[in-house]
Amino acid sequence: LAKTTQPISMDSYEGQEVNITCSHNNIATNDYITWYQQFPSQGPRFIIQGYKTKVTNEVASLFIPADRKSSTLSLPRVSLSDTAVYYCLVGARGSGTYKYIFGTGTRLKVLA
Amino acid sequence: DADVTQTPRNRITKTGKRIMLECSQTKGHDRMYWYRQDPGLGLRLIYYSFDVKDINKGEISDGYSVSRQAQAKFSLSLESAIPNQTALYFCATSGAGGTDEQYFGPGTRLTVT
Repeated sequence: LAKTTQPISMDSYEGQEVNITCSHNNIATNDYITWYQQFPSQGPRFIIQGYKTKVTNEVASLFIPADRKSSTLSLPRVSLSDTAVYYCLVGARGSGTYKYIFGTGTRLKVLA
Repeated sequence: DADVTQTPRNRITKTGKRIMLECSQTKGHDRMYWYRQDPGLGLRLIYYSFDVKDINKGEISDGYSVSRQAQAKFSLSLESAIPNQTALYFCATSGAGGTDEQYFGPGTRLTVT
């Protein structure tokens, strides 16, 4: 089971790009990397998922190096509304065994 | 209408009482999950179900039980509530393939006094 390590918290200012790195040294061949966002008192919300290289959607980009032992979630030009907890998960898609584990996440605070 | 609904949204109960939290989803997904979240901590998996006939324990199943009444309904019960079960409870659902994206409900805030 791939364990993930993320910074506990980060602060940023509005308009800046924020990069949150997640380490997953024992990621398995079939594992994908998924990021979720959680606002206070709400359930987490899927942001992005990737396997290797770079994935981009309307919300964020996900950078995964060739060895896949880490990944970086990039949020362009953050606003106050991006203040949330961000979780990095590693697990096999569609497998018969549930492998996703939510750690404590990274608490991002965006300052004016 | 929300894809995943949870009832009740807030509940205060006393130690020793039995309580049921209910979850319904309209996504048509087979997979459903129950998590708990304690203040300042991440989510921990209590139980999960991959279809109506499949129930599996998660990380912290002791003191909890579940029932999958239908594809769309998954209930969590606390047989005899205790104060350290005070937490925010989330239900989620996902498809069996693709991204396995989990869709979460709004949560139930449970307080056991």
